[in-house]
Amino acid sequence: DIQMTQAPSSLSASVGDRVTISCQAGQDVGKYLNWYRQRPGKAPELLIYDASNLQTGVPSRFSGSGSGAEFILTISSLQPEDFGTYYCQKYESLPTFGPGTKVEMK
Amino acid sequence: EVQLVQSGAEVKKPGESLKISCRGSGYSFNTHWIAWVRQMPGKGLEWMGTIYPGDSDIRYSPSFQGQVTISADKSKSTAYLQWASLKASDTAKYYCAKSRRTGYSYGDLDYWGQGTLVTVSS
Repeated sequence: DIQMTQAPSSLSASVGDRVTISCQAGQDVGKYLNWYRQRPGKAPELLIYDASNLQTGVPSRFSGSGSGAEFILTISSLQPEDFGTYYCQKYESLPTFGPGTKVEMK
Repeated sequence: EVQLVQSGAEVKKPGESLKISCRGSGYSFNTHWIAWVRQMPGKGLEWMGTIYPGDSDIRYSPSFQGQVTISADKSKSTAYLQWASLKASDTAKYYCAKSRRTGYSYGDLDYWGQGTLVTVSS
């Protein structure tokens, strides 16, 4: 099984900050990598698919990059609704989520 | 509008059976995979398995194979997740989610249900 890791596991940030979250796969997953945001008490929401494509309706402050085994999610200017937990997920073969990165208010 | 509406919260005793549901609307139910994802209290997301309603092709995560049963009723645009004998460790929130595309990318999920909280306690 391919393991997914994320860094950091948590971070504190303020509204307006630039935030980056890393995701590493245990082996090459190509571009078969998605990013989700889960607000407290809510269902996950798809932000980025295929590593770098913005899901319809998602604000442009979100962007994704990377391929192979190293990926990054960037939030260019953190908004109040962005506090929550972010998960990467490799979706081919056995879909596997990363452990999550909790974004908290500083 | 795409919607996945899940059945309500359940409180059960160990050893009891349970079947929860997920009804899809606003898209072609038969041609998109429906996945089930577990989230234990305070923990992350775990992919359990998925079904293609069009032909009932089912895939399970090895971690959940034999522990749960996934099914679907095309005529009702509804997918199901069921347990024959619940354990306390099954206490979790369960989400259904649909695949973003048709075809074999069953783990590529776009829309999610609101979740069903299952509590198993004696």
